[in-house]
Amino acid sequence: KAGVTQTPRYLIKTRGQQVTLSCSPISGHRSVSWYQQTPGQGLQFLFEYFSETQRNKGNFPGRFSGRQFSNSRSEMNVSTLELGDSALYLCASSPDRAEKLFFGSGTQLSVL
Amino acid sequence: GESVGLHLPTLSVQEGDNSIINCAYSNSASDYFIWYKQESGKGPQFIIDIRSNMDKRQGQRVTVLLNKTVKHLSLQIAATQPGDSAVYFCAENPGWGEYGNKLVFGAGTILRVKS
Repeated sequence: KAGVTQTPRYLIKTRGQQVTLSCSPISGHRSVSWYQQTPGQGLQFLFEYFSETQRNKGNFPGRFSGRQFSNSRSEMNVSTLELGDSALYLCASSPDRAEKLFFGSGTQLSVL
Repeated sequence: GESVGLHLPTLSVQEGDNSIINCAYSNSASDYFIWYKQESGKGPQFIIDIRSNMDKRQGQRVTVLLNKTVKHLSLQIAATQPGDSAVYFCAENPGWGEYGNKLVFGAGTILRVKS
């Protein structure tokens, strides 16, 4: 099976812009989770989608949003980018419950 | 708030020695625990997991120990190899309750293997 695929791999944006990141889960996996990874905060949970519904949400501002499509592919959007949003954004998938998540290689976002 | 693990420490071991990486978790309701390895430029990679009804589980060269009494998790790597050099994360799933279905990650431990 193909692994979790995230695009793009690298992204450079300026403050105030918005960005959309994409994630294709492992075939058959219906749960997609998103994490933000920074040197200072580590891996922080953003949200989780299952069957096109947001099932769980972390403690991030409303500028961070996501969605899941009927084929389980997911996107996350960050609006009005801030310098502090610079991070590695990781997507992970699992069949159902958030156990043994399979991670993609991430999208490295730099906000200038 | 929720927290798992330690501030990012570094463990240096000689090639061929055994490594032990420790992790403290905070949520006594957590019923699932997992260890990940992350190499530079890659996403976390699954190593081994364990449920709360077990206290030990073995894989290939790795063993996870769970002590629920003191909320402590450890990862043992036998005969450590240079390819084991990476950052290691523990994580817990607090369950389906108010904390939701998600993995809460520790800060990570850097493992450096000296040849």
